Amino acid sequence: GAGVSQSPSNKVTEKGKDVELRCDPISGHTALYWYRQRLGQGLEFLIYFQGNSAPDKSGLPSDRFSAERTGESVSTLTIQRTQQEDSAVYLCASSYYAGGANVLTFGAGSRLTVL
Amino acid sequence: GQNIDQPTEMTATEGAIVQINCTYQTSGFNGLFWYQQHAGEAPTFLSYNVLDGLEEKGRFSSFLSRSKGYSYLLLKELQMKDSASYLCAVRDRRSTDSWGKLQFGAGTQVVVTP
Repeated sequence: GAGVSQSPSNKVTEKGKDVELRCDPISGHTALYWYRQRLGQGLEFLIYFQGNSAPDKSGLPSDRFSAERTGESVSTLTIQRTQQEDSAVYLCASSYYAGGANVLTFGAGSRLTVL
Repeated sequence: GQNIDQPTEMTATEGAIVQINCTYQTSGFNGLFWYQQHAGEAPTFLSYNVLDGLEEKGRFSSFLSRSKGYSYLLLKELQMKDSASYLCAVRDRRSTDSWGKLQFGAGTQVVVTP
């Protein structure tokens, strides 16, 4: 597609429920990143994919968080047993390797509210 | 790991110049980026530095000193639309990873006043 697409754009859930957030990167982009941004704060790195493998999962906050990517395309971020502190905007970004600056293009984000 | 520090907020008047400093510590530096983020929107790319020196792009310039772990973003001829958060980001490459993850600072909120 022309841009990075994320769904849902807004999700309200009850504490303890599982949620899935989806990211469709720009076609041909081999790298895909997930970030979390709490209100008024900076971007917190969660995980990134190179193709379908994840060289760096160091940012995942706990074992309740997982992510996968298939076909070097769509990625899903799953949060199990959601907690109120999971409330944030989850941003996805993609890039292709051009031998230099791998500029990230961000999606509009998925705003998660845990009640 | 790495630390990225930048001021929380800066205020300047329309038409003026503002310089946003960023200092970082990283074990595998592989490039520094500046992004702009308007409230409620996704970040957008502004500039990239991997070698020491100044990169100029219109009203925006970015400088890097790798030996000092220091960068700045210079915004000239400020316009009201420049009011936004400016994010410094460093690519950190581990030995097992040819690309490296992009780690962001907390952002500097720039407020442009008439």
